[in-house]
Amino acid sequence: EPEVTQTPSHQVTQMGQEVILRCVPISNHLYFYWYRQILGQKVEFLVSFYNNEISEKSEIFDDQFSVERPDGSNFTLKIRSTKLEDSAMYFCASSEPRDRRLSGANVLTFGAGSRLTVL
Amino acid sequence: AQTVTQSQPEMSVQEAETVTLSCTYDTSESDYYLFWYKQPPSRQMILVIRQEAYKQQNATENRFSVNFQKAAKSFSLKISDSQLGDAAMYFCAYRSEGGSQGNLIFGKGTKLSVKP
Repeated sequence: EPEVTQTPSHQVTQMGQEVILRCVPISNHLYFYWYRQILGQKVEFLVSFYNNEISEKSEIFDDQFSVERPDGSNFTLKIRSTKLEDSAMYFCASSEPRDRRLSGANVLTFGAGSRLTVL
Repeated sequence: AQTVTQSQPEMSVQEAETVTLSCTYDTSESDYYLFWYKQPPSRQMILVIRQEAYKQQNATENRFSVNFQKAAKSFSLKISDSQLGDAAMYFCAYRSEGGSQGNLIFGKGTKLSVKP
């Protein structure tokens, strides 16, 4: 079964450093997402990406964050200058286009996550 | 703003028994989707079941079924004949019909343990 793969599985960084988290979505999916889960808290939406641009972003996704699809397969999340509160599990997800002729919502397939620890 | 509440941080069930995980949500919308995701210790979230709000019939997927009460804004998950592999975090999630494709609103999750 196709999977969303994420690297690294765990990254430790110093406060103020830049971090890039990488994701390889499922090949025929056109929508891409990043979510994060701070330890003990809810999974929160960060951003959605379609047709090489951001389609929606949450309040969490401030100027420190950026996303990119540099080569048609990878989908990256960059945090420019990490803060202690950026420590979390970051999940990438992808989905097929939603077809209104079909019943039901498009389904997101999640990756296993990248754990970011900021010291 | 929509919210999703899972009032049971942890639940436990004996193998082969049935367990129900509760989820309530708050919304003023009439069209939306509801999901249950399972997150095993390996961390990858997997879709268990989904429900379209316009459908009155409760969704079922093998041993998993939901009790969708739209008026009460309740969306519980029933796992029948529980198996050891069902042990995981279970997240309830909401998505607006008119909203972003992937802007899911999650509950805090319920950790399910299955006793042999």
